[in-house]
Amino acid sequence: EIVLTQSPGTLSLSPGERATLSCRASQSVSSSYLAWYQQKPGQAPRLLIYGASSRATGIPDRFSGSGSGTDFTLTISRLEPEDFAVYYCQQYGSSLLFTFGPGTKVDIK
Amino acid sequence: QVQLQESGPGLVKPSETLSLTCTVSGGSMSSYYWSWIRQPPGQGLEWIGYIYYSGSTNYNPSLKSRVTISLDTSKNQFALKLNSVTAADTAVYYCARRGYCSGSSCYSYDYWGQGTLVTVSS
Repeated sequence: EIVLTQSPGTLSLSPGERATLSCRASQSVSSSYLAWYQQKPGQAPRLLIYGASSRATGIPDRFSGSGSGTDFTLTISRLEPEDFAVYYCQQYGSSLLFTFGPGTKVDIK
Repeated sequence: QVQLQESGPGLVKPSETLSLTCTVSGGSMSSYYWSWIRQPPGQGLEWIGYIYYSGSTNYNPSLKSRVTISLDTSKNQFALKLNSVTAADTAVYYCARRGYCSGSSCYSYDYWGQGTLVTVSS
C-alpha cells in the first residue's frame, strides 16, 4: 500500500504570499493518479487538481500542481483570504485503492 | 449540476450496523464510480470503497470484512452498510463521485455530498 506524506503540517503565511505544499509517496505514483483537494471547516473537500497538474473546473489559475514519481507539489501563487484551509493530496494505486495524505493546514500568519 | 446528498441515522449503538444512503440528482449514475469516504472528527480522510454503475465493488482492506456498498439506479441512490461498529467508526461520512473515466479525471473525486456525522455511542 502506498503511503502519502505531506509537508509541512502547518504553513503560516500572509495574504499575497506564495504557498508551496509537498506530497511525497512511499512508492512511485503515476502522475495520472495524483489529485489535490481543499477543505474548509464544516465543508466537504473540493477538487483542485487532478492528474498531478490539471486544474478542475472553476479552479482559479493561481492554483497549480506539478511533480512526478514520488514527489508532487501544489503551489498557490498569491494567497487570497479564501485560500486559508486544509489541503489533501490523494493517490490511486495498486489493487485499485485510493489513499489520502494527512493534510497541510494553511493558516494566516 | 450534479448534487449528492447523504441521509441516515446520526447515532448508532456499538456492535450495530451503520446504514447510509446517498441520493444523486442532476445527472445519471451510468458510467461512473460512486464512493464513500469518511473523516473522524479533527482527522484526515479515509477512503471506504466504491461501486461502479455495473455493480462491481472495491473496498478498503482495513474495512472490507465489515463493509457493503450497494446501488439502486432506479432510485438514483447508492448505500453504505458498515456492521459491528465501534466508537472508532464515529466520523463524518461523505458520498462522492469519481470523475468520468476517459482520462486522469477518473482517479479523483469531482462531486461530493455535504457529509453527515455519524456518532457511535450507547
